[in-house]
Amino acid sequence: AQKVTQAQTEISVVEKEDVTLDCVYETRDTTYYLFWYKQPPSGELVFLIRRNSFDEQNEISGRYSWNFQKSTSSFNFTITASQVVDSAVYFCALSLSMDSNYQLIWGAGTKLIIKP
Amino acid sequence: DAMVIQNPRYQVTQFGKPVTLSCSQTLNHNVMYWYQQKSSQAPKLLFHYYDKDFNNEADTPDNFQSRRPNTSFCFLDIRSPGLGDAAMYLCATSGSMNTEAFFGQGTRLTVV
Repeated sequence: AQKVTQAQTEISVVEKEDVTLDCVYETRDTTYYLFWYKQPPSGELVFLIRRNSFDEQNEISGRYSWNFQKSTSSFNFTITASQVVDSAVYFCALSLSMDSNYQLIWGAGTKLIIKP
Repeated sequence: DAMVIQNPRYQVTQFGKPVTLSCSQTLNHNVMYWYQQKSSQAPKLLFHYYDKDFNNEADTPDNFQSRRPNTSFCFLDIRSPGLGDAAMYLCATSGSMNTEAFFGQGTRLTVV
């Protein structure tokens, strides 16, 4: 079975703190894709990153970084020096290369609150 | 500039009165999706189009229909909205399978 688990329902930190959002996935497929999306209060889902299963390199984009570890089936997301504008719900998602319906399997989301 | 545009942003409809939500894209993407998202939940895929090929999720109620008259536009028709259909409806596009999806700002539907 395919599944994405975001165990942290809500995280609250003070601005400038670093914060890591966890994502654990389950699949037996060898080829798959992992995504992170941000959903601010305005409602629009914003794409952050896509990673395929053959690329385990960590990614850094400004204050954002992602740690993909196949050994633990995790794709964690870290925000360094958090800012109030980072407050949003963050979703991790999985898609399978053999799924002709292009279905994204979503985690439940983690609500991140950054306090000034 | 917005690349996936949904209209209206907010829609109030009466119980049982048909309603149509619209989505347009400027990305010329092959794939268009409709998602339903209820409060504090992940988006739930209703259906998607790959070009003109329509794919309905098995658990999408018959009350929901969709039309894609051309590459740029896609519509979600709710034939007889019930109170349980109140939600955010999100349209998205992607260039092909397994590539990132770009979402519109959503239409928040209220059923009274």
